[in-house]
Amino acid sequence: DAGVTQSPTHLIKTRGQQVTLRCSPKSGHDTVSWYQQALGQGPQFIFQYYEEEERQRGNFPDRFSGHQFPNYSSELNVNALLLGDSALYLCASSLGQIIYNEQFFGPGTRLTVL
Amino acid sequence: DQQVKQNSPSLSVQEGRISILNCDYTNSMFDYFLWYKKYPAEGPTFLISISSIKDKNEDGRFTVFLNKSAKHLSLHIVPSQPGDSAVYFCAASHNAGNNRKLIWGLGTSLAVNP
Repeated sequence: DAGVTQSPTHLIKTRGQQVTLRCSPKSGHDTVSWYQQALGQGPQFIFQYYEEEERQRGNFPDRFSGHQFPNYSSELNVNALLLGDSALYLCASSLGQIIYNEQFFGPGTRLTVL
Repeated sequence: DQQVKQNSPSLSVQEGRISILNCDYTNSMFDYFLWYKKYPAEGPTFLISISSIKDKNEDGRFTVFLNKSAKHLSLHIVPSQPGDSAVYFCAASHNAGNNRKLIWGLGTSLAVNP
């Protein structure tokens, strides 16, 4: 049973570019949440997708957008990259929308913006 | 404004002894708390949780204590093992108009020495 997978593992972009990160949830899970973890910080909630719709959103600008597909996989898109977007981006999947449940995290995508 | 605070960036204990990781929070609306463990190059892994209606929850070597009046919780690991060496995150959650998400602390890096 595959856990949460994310691609790519590492990514280097320059300021102003756009990036797309991908996540496949754990088998049987229908909810995907995205987090940004800057160096030395805890994960910061970006948004959550359930039934192909954004259900909750943290304090992130509109440059951060996402999508969930019918197979529950998800993408995180970031436009007009800034140096401060450099971070580890974590995807977490769970069953159900309310985060009482255990979330299973992927290993993350390390984004470096130069 | 850090609503969930882990004031000790690091902790070092001897194998077999007790590890105590502390977490303070400021928002009295938080009603569910979780601890996650994170190894390098991996996503966080759910460890143990506690609801605000309880003051203690135990799972094997791991026990979480909640003191609501002090807005403080702690994770006890007894006995500590070298494999417990990781970064531990405290996270808190509350229901704000059907919009629930996790607020994370900065983490405490635990080193268990053989």
